Amino acid sequence: KNEVEQSPQNLTAQEGEFITINCSYSVGISALHWLQQHPGGGIVSLFMLSSGKKKHGRLIATINIQEKHSSLHITASHPRDSAVYICAALQYGGNQFYFGTGTSLTVIP
Amino acid sequence: GAVVSQHPSRVICKSGTSVKIECRSLDFQATTMFWYRQFPKQSLMLMATSNEGSKATYEQGVEKDKFLINHASLTLSTLTVTSAHPEDSSFYICSARVPQGVGETQYFGPGTRLLVL
Repeated sequence: KNEVEQSPQNLTAQEGEFITINCSYSVGISALHWLQQHPGGGIVSLFMLSSGKKKHGRLIATINIQEKHSSLHITASHPRDSAVYICAALQYGGNQFYFGTGTSLTVIP
Repeated sequence: GAVVSQHPSRVICKSGTSVKIECRSLDFQATTMFWYRQFPKQSLMLMATSNEGSKATYEQGVEKDKFLINHASLTLSTLTVTSAHPEDSSFYICSARVPQGVGETQYFGPGTRLLVL
């Protein structure tokens, strides 16, 4: 059983569509990160959440601590958003990160 | 937010050579840094935990003599892949732990892609 589950695994969207990627976790956490990984590998930290909601440009991340669930939303998606998005949960009181398997997003022009 | 850098971002080397990868916390002091590797289409896997001034703690299955970790200062940890072989080709990522009391979390470096020929 994975401590962090992401869905969907793969997602193809038309440019301009609203996109949602979901992350559920089963451990107590001190923070949840959303990471973006472009082809070629470079990792970018998009958000670090411990509660509520954060917004950066067209990206919005929310977390519900009680339900142990987080979502990453992309509004007005663009082909440059095509990447793998990874949810990473930092276990409370520990050093351990649990990673989702990633969501591969392709935005078609 | 806090920034973690890695150098180099990409490296190609010949089999048998050693490669050093640096991980720096740019605007905070990190007593603990972590090294991960990622194989194609797989998730990140923790290799070792690096504590400043002490020996690194390696995860099961990770060869400590193969992957040398040095955390000589509060802002720098290095991973040296010794006598690299093609199977060591991978994406190596570090993260640095923000000290407790300022919002405990970790921040990821951008990663280093290693190709061993």
